Amino acid sequence: AQSVTQLGSHVSVSEGALVLLRCNYSSSVPPYLFWYVQYPNQGLQLLLKYTSAATLVKGINGFEAEFKKSETSFHLTKPSAHMSDAAEYFCAVSESAPDMRFGAGTRLTVKP
Amino acid sequence: NAGVTQTPKFRILKIGQSMTLQCAQDMNHNYMYWYRQDPGMGLKLIYYSVGAGITDKGEVPNGYNVSRSTTEDFPLRLELAAPSQTSVYFCASTPDLTGVDGYTFGSGTRLTVV
Repeated sequence: AQSVTQLGSHVSVSEGALVLLRCNYSSSVPPYLFWYVQYPNQGLQLLLKYTSAATLVKGINGFEAEFKKSETSFHLTKPSAHMSDAAEYFCAVSESAPDMRFGAGTRLTVKP
Repeated sequence: NAGVTQTPKFRILKIGQSMTLQCAQDMNHNYMYWYRQDPGMGLKLIYYSVGAGITDKGEVPNGYNVSRSTTEDFPLRLELAAPSQTSVYFCASTPDLTGVDGYTFGSGTRLTVV
């Protein structure tokens, strides 16, 4: 069965600095991979997804992620952090519905 | 706005009480899901439905029940609430069983059992 590991439950960056949130997955077949963002007291919103097309995926709010099969990774990046990026981020993997598996989440703090 | 609507947003239950968490979507999605979110644990699937009249258990179904009488509504029933059911509950939907389009989530119900 597929699984997801997010490295680091909490990441803190300064405003303007690079954001890097790490996600490694385990899957027996080519998976679909997702990043979701959750703002306080809200539901999860889809940030971007990988569905076996381009390995570099661009999402909303300037985020992007690169699928690396050899490393079984799908790390999320943003070149310059903004205060509004502070939120919790979840990586998810889906081999077959309805079994989408979510990571434990990474809380991003952005310091002024 | 189109999306997934959950009610109530907050609820406190006493041990042994029961309640129903409501979920409705207006996107004509066939596939709907209930997740619970506990700190540091990510989201765990409780139940899901692939269409009206069809439901099935997810990873953590014990203590819960669901029904799906219409495409729009997917209520989650808690019988005999226990402190272990203190959590944030999310309903989600998707048009495609593979989930390739991602899920649309509601804003959640924060439940405390005391």
